[in-house]
Amino acid sequence: AQSVTQLDSHVSVSEGTPVLLRCNYSSSYSPSLFWYVQHPNKGLQLLLKYTSAATLVKGINGFEAEFKKSETSFHLTKPSAHMSDAAEYFCVVSDDNDSWGKFQFGAGTQVVVTP
Amino acid sequence: NAGVTQTPKFRVLKTGQSMTLLCAQDMNHEYMYWYRQDPGMGLRLIHYSVGEGTTAKGEVPDGYNVSRLKKQNFLLGLESAAPSQTSVYFCASSRGRQNSNQPQHFGDGTRLSIL
Repeated sequence: AQSVTQLDSHVSVSEGTPVLLRCNYSSSYSPSLFWYVQHPNKGLQLLLKYTSAATLVKGINGFEAEFKKSETSFHLTKPSAHMSDAAEYFCVVSDDNDSWGKFQFGAGTQVVVTP
Repeated sequence: NAGVTQTPKFRVLKTGQSMTLLCAQDMNHEYMYWYRQDPGMGLRLIHYSVGEGTTAKGEVPDGYNVSRLKKQNFLLGLESAAPSQTSVYFCASSRGRQNSNQPQHFGDGTRLSIL
């Protein structure tokens, strides 16, 4: 069975400061991990994905995430927050063993960016 | 390049009414999915399809039916709407298995209220 826990439901940062969104997962097999972003009244957009290649994954808009198997974590970071980063972020896990690759979504982290 | 298009964008129904949500994708994707998004719960899979003419149940299928008569379209039906089905519904598609380096592409959602 697979599951994902986003450790913070809300994160507030000042513009220009670093952003850290925490995600822990559990998976019986080799997982694929994703981060998606959802802006208000929009669908989800893929930020980045980990699929057993490099453990440090770079995504769009300056985001990156590091896969740490020993800690079962896949935290998302950005060195300097921009006002446009205000959105909800979802961590997603999928087991390679699934025949059709079910996605398990975290509950989401709402990011607020203050000037 | 439209991607995934959902219609309608908003709808208000009375309890007991029926309706169909339409999802269309122009990327020739094999896999399509219907999710519902409720506050604090992430996205939960209702039904999915791994190809034209196929459908399968997800996590929360009760009260919904789906059809995939054409590869590009995936319809979600509510036969007798209930207030518990008030939610935001998202359709997504992907080229193949979710965890084979193939992310999901999402529509902008349908906001459905059941009175």
